[in-house]
Amino acid sequence: KNEVEQSPQNLTAQEGEFITINCSYSVGISALHWLQQHPGGGIVSLFMLSSGKKKHGRLIATINIQEKHSSLHITASHPRDSAVYICAVRSNQGAQKLVFGQGTRLTINP
Amino acid sequence: GAGVSQSPSNKVTEKGKDVELRCDPISGHTALYWYRQSLGQGLEFLIYFQGNSAPDKSGLPSDRFSAERTGGSVSTLTIQRTQQEDSAVYLCASIPGLAGHNEQFFGPGTRLTVL
Repeated sequence: KNEVEQSPQNLTAQEGEFITINCSYSVGISALHWLQQHPGGGIVSLFMLSSGKKKHGRLIATINIQEKHSSLHITASHPRDSAVYICAVRSNQGAQKLVFGQGTRLTINP
Repeated sequence: GAGVSQSPSNKVTEKGKDVELRCDPISGHTALYWYRQSLGQGLEFLIYFQGNSAPDKSGLPSDRFSAERTGGSVSTLTIQRTQQEDSAVYLCASIPGLAGHNEQFFGPGTRLTVL
């Protein structure tokens, strides 16, 4: 079993729908990252969080440390949100490595 | 003011050759990561540099892989005696300050193809 599991692996929705992508992890963490990778390959860091909730524009990220679970939400989705969304965690055991989920491929149709 | 840059953007090499990949982080960023993304696979941590501290090399897949960061700025990832399984996109990310407290800024990657 991977240390970081994302669901769903693929998600197709219509423009305007509310999107939720989930990330579960099995290790103690010091931080969790959400990344966005566009079809051209470029990666952008969306959020880094260790507790609670963060919001940036139409994107919201939440984390529940006790349940070892995080969600990324997109409100009023748009075709330009189509990308692969990647969850990554940093262990709280002092190591600096990030462990990545396999990603969720999101397609928003107009 | 530019972001993280990597060179070359694409590299095709023959099996057994050595390759060197370069990362120019954002000026002033003290931490730097190298990652690898094989075709259809997720991102894989390779190595982490923080200031003048000894790097965390725990992700390097074999002793054919090495990396250095000169003067706390530019980093090079060297792969010796390349194998076909080394074909991947190699990504670099730099971080302002401590990695545990800051978001990462990714470069565009170098696509390595080993024939």
